[in-house]
Amino acid sequence: DAKTTQPPSMDCAEGRAANLPCNHSTISGNEYVYWYRQIHSQGPQYIIHGLKNNETNEMASLIITEDRKSSTLILPHATLRDTAVYYCIVRVAGYGGSQGNLIFGKGTKLSVKP
Amino acid sequence: GAVVSQHPSRVICKSGTSVKIECRSLDFQATTMFWYRQFPKQSLMLMATSNEGSKATYEQGVEKDKFLINHASLTLSTLTVTSAHPEDSSFYICSARQLGGSTDTQYFGPGTRLTVL
Repeated sequence: DAKTTQPPSMDCAEGRAANLPCNHSTISGNEYVYWYRQIHSQGPQYIIHGLKNNETNEMASLIITEDRKSSTLILPHATLRDTAVYYCIVRVAGYGGSQGNLIFGKGTKLSVKP
Repeated sequence: GAVVSQHPSRVICKSGTSVKIECRSLDFQATTMFWYRQFPKQSLMLMATSNEGSKATYEQGVEKDKFLINHASLTLSTLTVTSAHPEDSSFYICSARQLGGSTDTQYFGPGTRLTVL
């Protein structure tokens, strides 16, 4: 079962920041937070991941709370092409075995509107 | 990010035939690849973990004799759906794990849409 909780859907205006929350209150000390998105009828796309520090790349920023029980993915200037289902997943990284498997929940369907 | 390809992207077959799907990591070597299945309006379900040079590990409820997995090289894993039936119609997606140094990320292929008539 997925170890995260996300709202089922969100809307965002084009050009505005999209802030997608994720709760992972049972996260273990060696588990990372990964974000993927899936545009309709395509394979998931890796966005970003982090352990406890905030992370930023060319796609998004990841803000992780100090207690690591929740995080927020930020798309700074959402475009229509960002409309997708966004998945927040916690997993152990750097090791083999099933703890490192990506287990997908239902995600958040983000709709970016003009 | 790294690139993973799948072939074919779409296949239609008759009931009872077998279908092979290829998954390739194009710019990195992957000792571990994964196969997922996604039914309409549902999330991805992990079917099996494919390890180079050894037998695949199947998730509970997935028939290993029906879904044959071969991971013969560090860049190629294949999934064969044997004796396919209409209930096997689904979107099959593979991923490859890039592991090294500070990197541990799975990259996904574009998926294969299987329709069994």
